[in-house]
Amino acid sequence: GQQVMQIPQYQHVQEGEDFTTYCNSSTTLSNIQWYKQRPGGHPVFLIQLVKSGEVKKQKRLTFQFGEAKKNSSLHITATQTTDVGTYFCAGQADQGGKLIFGQGTELSVKP
Amino acid sequence: NAGVTQTPKFQVLKTGQSMTLQCAQDMNHNSMYWYRQDPGMGLRLIYYSASEGTTDKGEVPNGYNVSRLNKREFSLRLESAAPSQTSVYFCASSQNYGYTFGSGTRLTVV
Repeated sequence: GQQVMQIPQYQHVQEGEDFTTYCNSSTTLSNIQWYKQRPGGHPVFLIQLVKSGEVKKQKRLTFQFGEAKKNSSLHITATQTTDVGTYFCAGQADQGGKLIFGQGTELSVKP
Repeated sequence: NAGVTQTPKFQVLKTGQSMTLQCAQDMNHNSMYWYRQDPGMGLRLIYYSASEGTTDKGEVPNGYNVSRLNKREFSLRLESAAPSQTSVYFCASSQNYGYTFGSGTRLTVV
């Protein structure tokens, strides 16, 4: 079945450093979504990417969708302590179909 | 606007006991989902309901049953709880894209 792999599992950075998490799917995706989960909280939707090669930005966050629509990345520039949490990618093979989550990358930021 | 409401927030069960986790959304979404979250394994789909009156198995359905009671409510039942079902359970709903999650139920089976 469809699998979504995400690396790294953990990332510890100094405040102000950049951070990137990578996501790879075993199958071509219709779209990929990104979520953030704060410690003790629930996942919160950040963004959806649909088009091959798409790049979207939200302030210091940059999201990319690969040309083959099988991989994606999230890059945070100049991390802040408010960025702490676990970032999940999640892919759908068909629009409206099952959303399969990666294992997540837990980000910690040292002030 | 409450979004997705899950009850209870915490529960401890003995092995073999049964319970139902409740979920309700007030956003008029068609689709609803149940996920479980375990350390290092992300969120795994248990069951989902694409619309009122339909339910389908996800990645890890064994040991669970669901009921889509109406458009608002989607419940998850554990008939005979096992320690392997100790987890955090999240309900979610969606309409077009982007899931809205509830605050979760932390379940411990002893």
